[in-house]
Amino acid sequence: EPEVTQTPSHQVTQMGQEVILRCVPISNHLYFYWYRQILGQKVEFLVSFYNNEISEKSEIFDDQFSVERPDGSNFTLKIRSTKLEDSAMYFCASNLALPYEQYFGPGTRLTVT
Amino acid sequence: KNQVEQSPQSLIILEGKNCTLQCNYTVSPFSNLRWYKQDTGRGPVSLTIMTFSENTKSNGRYTATLDADTKQSSLHITASQLSDSASYICVVSAGYGGATNKLIFGTGTLLAVQP
Repeated sequence: EPEVTQTPSHQVTQMGQEVILRCVPISNHLYFYWYRQILGQKVEFLVSFYNNEISEKSEIFDDQFSVERPDGSNFTLKIRSTKLEDSAMYFCASNLALPYEQYFGPGTRLTVT
Repeated sequence: KNQVEQSPQSLIILEGKNCTLQCNYTVSPFSNLRWYKQDTGRGPVSLTIMTFSENTKSNGRYTATLDADTKQSSLHITASQLSDSASYICVVSAGYGGATNKLIFGTGTLLAVQP
């Protein structure tokens, strides 16, 4: 069964460093998303991406964040200068069309020290 | 403000018993409501998805209900198994079905099934 994959599973970085989280959505999907979950808190929407552009973003997704689909398979989330409060689990999701099911990846745990 | 609230926060039941989890939401415009199961350290996995015109939907031992008038939903789990131990999250999708499908997550109900 096709699935969303994410790498790395765990990333440790120092405050102020840039990180890139990578996702490979399900191959025929058209809509892509990033969410984050701070430990012990609920999942929060960050950004949705369709047709090679951002379709919606939350107030969390400020200028420090960017997304890219550099080729036909990868979908990346970049944090330019990480802060301690960026420590969280980051989930990528994709779906074929609206309003169908979003499939989530296993997540990348980002730890900023 | 769009919000999704769930109760109880946590629940412990014995294997084989049934349970019902509750969800209240204030989301506009409402597109659909989903229940997800999330194991610790893993991504959410979909159980059911319902539009405003659907009152109930089942997926095996999971049955979700939706009352769009009162903006309430429930998830009923029958004959619980140890593997049902997880966080169950109510998620409401906001949007008109255009180029976005923003999901608003509840805080989840942490279910522990004991032998």
